[in-house]
Amino acid sequence: DGGITQSPKYLFRKEGQNVTLSCEQNLNHDAMYWYRQDPGQGLRLIYYSQIVNDFQKGDIAEGYSVSREKKESFPLTVTSAQKNPTAFYLCASSSRHYSNQPQHFGDGTRLSIL
Amino acid sequence: EDQVTQSPEALRLQEGESSSLNCSYTVSGLRGLFWYRQDPGKGPEFLFTLYSAGEEKEKERLKATLTKKESFLHITAPKPEDSATYLCAVQAQGNTPLVFGKGTRLSVIA
Repeated sequence: DGGITQSPKYLFRKEGQNVTLSCEQNLNHDAMYWYRQDPGQGLRLIYYSQIVNDFQKGDIAEGYSVSREKKESFPLTVTSAQKNPTAFYLCASSSRHYSNQPQHFGDGTRLSIL
Repeated sequence: EDQVTQSPEALRLQEGESSSLNCSYTVSGLRGLFWYRQDPGKGPEFLFTLYSAGEEKEKERLKATLTKKESFLHITAPKPEDSATYLCAVQAQGNTPLVFGKGTRLSVIA
């Protein structure tokens, strides 16, 4: 079945540690996205990528980094510079960026601080 | 600035009690409006895309409608399994990202 796989489902970060969240898609989509979801807030865009080897900052990119070396993969690193990383992180993809096609989501990674 | 406002924040219905969820939006040209369903601890699941005023889409007990300023998600004779958070998102014309509302948390009681 085609879809988006995020791993791990739960992740714990120690003080001063960088952690990486995995996102893989087999939908052959060009565009991929990372969102952060906090209780009572809408989804906020962290980074997006329109094509391999290209990515752009979203509204809340500070303290995060990404790479897009393969079409299928778009990992997100939460660095120690992100002072409030506890949240639910969602990865999404769409056939093209800025299109009228819907984004499809993975089942998220919940990140907590130890 | 593009904005999306969903109401109510939470809605509690008895099984079989029909109702509507609202999504009001302000954008400089609509490219598409999307409805999603999100279960606790899961990612949003795509339901519908609406492109122009007057358009309607249906799926089982759900019907989405669109005007120039808002969209409604009508739920007919809901069942407990319809309990979830429903998200609305808008894609504007031009190079702007998708804008999400905060969602409506629906609870259907048997």
